[in-house]
Amino acid sequence: DIQMTQSPSSLSASVGDRVTITCRASQYISTFLNWYQQKPGRAPKLLIYAASTLQSGVPGRFSASVSGTDFTLTISSLQPEDFATYYCQQSSTTLPYTFGQGTKLEIK
Amino acid sequence: EVQLVQSGAEVKKPGESLRISCKGSGYAFTTYWINWVRQMPGKGLEWMGRIDPDDSYTDYNPSFQGHVTFSIDKSISTAYLQWSSLRASDTAMFYCARLPKAGEGFDIWGQGTMVTVSS
Repeated sequence: DIQMTQSPSSLSASVGDRVTITCRASQYISTFLNWYQQKPGRAPKLLIYAASTLQSGVPGRFSASVSGTDFTLTISSLQPEDFATYYCQQSSTTLPYTFGQGTKLEIK
Repeated sequence: EVQLVQSGAEVKKPGESLRISCKGSGYAFTTYWINWVRQMPGKGLEWMGRIDPDDSYTDYNPSFQGHVTFSIDKSISTAYLQWSSLRASDTAMFYCARLPKAGEGFDIWGQGTMVTVSS
């Protein structure tokens, strides 16, 4: 299986901060990487697909990039509604699809 | 509105069987994979597998293969996840999620079905 290693596992930040979450794939997956946001008691929500494409309706303060097997999700200016858990997921042709372990973003 | 609506919470005993459902609406049901994702209490997301609603082709995560079965009823745009013999360790939230055939991420999720298995 392709292992997805997310870091950090948790993060405290303030409204207005810029935050970055990273995800490293254990092997090359091109741009088959997606990012999801999950709030407590809710289903996950797709934020970014194909490594850097913003899903329709997602605010522009979310962005993402890739360099080799390293993927980055950036929130440029945290808003109160952004405090949640974030997951990366590889969706390459190599099954099974796998998720990172999650990054819990908390209010400082 | 495009949506996936899942069946309600279940409480079962070990050894019992169960089938939960995921009904799609607002889109061409057969043109997107349906995926199943498990989330154990307080834990992360685990991909269980997927089914093609057009021909019922399935891919199972080896971690779940043999313990769960996916199926489809195209006539009512509904996907099913079933167990023949539940274990206490099956206690979790289960989500269905739509995946475009081009593989652009799980763009629509069901609201989740909580399954509790306890004697």
